[in-house]
Amino acid sequence: DIQMTQSPASLSASLEEIVTITCQASQDIGNWLAWYQQKPGKSPQLLIYGATSLADGVPSRFSGSRSGTQYSLKISRLQVEDIGIYYCQQASSAPLTFGSGTKLEIK
Amino acid sequence: QVQLEESGPGLMQPSETLSLTCTVSGFSLTSNGVGWVRQPLGKGLVWMGTIWAGGSTNYNSAVQSRLSISRDTSKSQVFLKMNSLQPEDTGTYYCARHANTYAFDYWGQGVMVTVSS
Repeated sequence: DIQMTQSPASLSASLEEIVTITCQASQDIGNWLAWYQQKPGKSPQLLIYGATSLADGVPSRFSGSRSGTQYSLKISRLQVEDIGIYYCQQASSAPLTFGSGTKLEIK
Repeated sequence: QVQLEESGPGLMQPSETLSLTCTVSGFSLTSNGVGWVRQPLGKGLVWMGTIWAGGSTNYNSAVQSRLSISRDTSKSQVFLKMNSLQPEDTGTYYCARHANTYAFDYWGQGVMVTVSS
């Protein structure tokens, strides 16, 4: 199974700050990587697919990048509505696997 | 627009069989796969299995022996059946649509299932 190691587990940042979350895949998954945001009490929402493509309706302050088997989600200017838990997911092969999540809070 | 809605019992006894239904609208089950994702309370997301557009299935090996996913395309419904329930099966169960990138682009609201005697 492909393991997705996500870091950090939690993050506290100030408004307008740049935030970066990373996921390390245990093997090559190409660009088969998605990022989700889950707000408290809500279903996850797709933010990024194909490692770098922004999902419909997602603010442009969110972006995804890839370097080898390391993937990053960047929020360029943190807003209060960005609080929640962020997950990566590899879509390269079954079993599909998620990272363990990053809880993002406002400082 | 695309919608998914889970339904099923909220409380189950250990050793019982769980049956959940995901009713979809706004797309065809023969065009997109639908997966089931479980989330234990306060924990992360775990993929359980998927029924693909062509009708084939893949399952998480951790539950494969207990899990079955099927569909009725005429009713736009996907079914999850999992037997031999244990308390550790407690959590919120989501159904979600696969985009052609295999990411989940639309999610249901989730159904909370508690396994307790």
